[in-house]
Amino acid sequence: EAQVTQNPRYLITVTGKKLTVTCSQNMNHEYMSWYRQDPGLGLRQIYYSMNVEVTDKGDVPEGYKVSRKEKRNFPLILESPSPNQTSLYFCASSLFGLAGGLSDTQYFGPGTRLTVL
Amino acid sequence: RKEVEQDPGPFNVPEGATVAFNCTYSNSASQSFFWYRQDCRKEPKLLMSVYSSGNEDGRFTAQLNRASQYISLLIRDSKLSDSATYLCVVNMGIYGGSQGNLIFGKGTKLSVKP
Repeated sequence: EAQVTQNPRYLITVTGKKLTVTCSQNMNHEYMSWYRQDPGLGLRQIYYSMNVEVTDKGDVPEGYKVSRKEKRNFPLILESPSPNQTSLYFCASSLFGLAGGLSDTQYFGPGTRLTVL
Repeated sequence: RKEVEQDPGPFNVPEGATVAFNCTYSNSASQSFFWYRQDCRKEPKLLMSVYSSGNEDGRFTAQLNRASQYISLLIRDSKLSDSATYLCVVNMGIYGGSQGNLIFGKGTKLSVKP
């Protein structure tokens, strides 16, 4: 089954304790992306990756790191989490379309609900 | 400034009604446009891409107006199962210089009542 998986689904942690949220896709997609979703602010892009070893900042990259060593995995790293990073996080993947833009559907993972105390 | 704006809603409509959502985008270099649907506490799922010529999928019709920089979504004969939040999404593509950057609207909540 084609899917994007995220782990963990739920996490409660404390300020400053490093954590990693994993994301994996089995569709051989070049493009992967991380978003956070907050009430009243909608979905905002954190980082994205066009392919292996290529990553770029989205609109809210501060406090996050990513890596893309393999095509299928795109982990999100919070080196020193803070309470303002409490949010619902989504990973997504997609193929690229002919126009060089995303003309194909993005597949989203089920989300990771993170609480930083 | 990159921005995608949507009617905030909520839209409360009876079953069978026709409802329309609009979305405006500020960057004229935008290349790709989408409507996503998100159910409460679930991941967004693609409803339809939006093409210059407009496109229709059953009860759903999407339109793009590049001159006025807005896209629309029309839902005919609303069903209870259409209740969700509808997200407008814009991608700059290669012409915008940030090929992978997607901008989401904050969403419009639709509630279809019996």
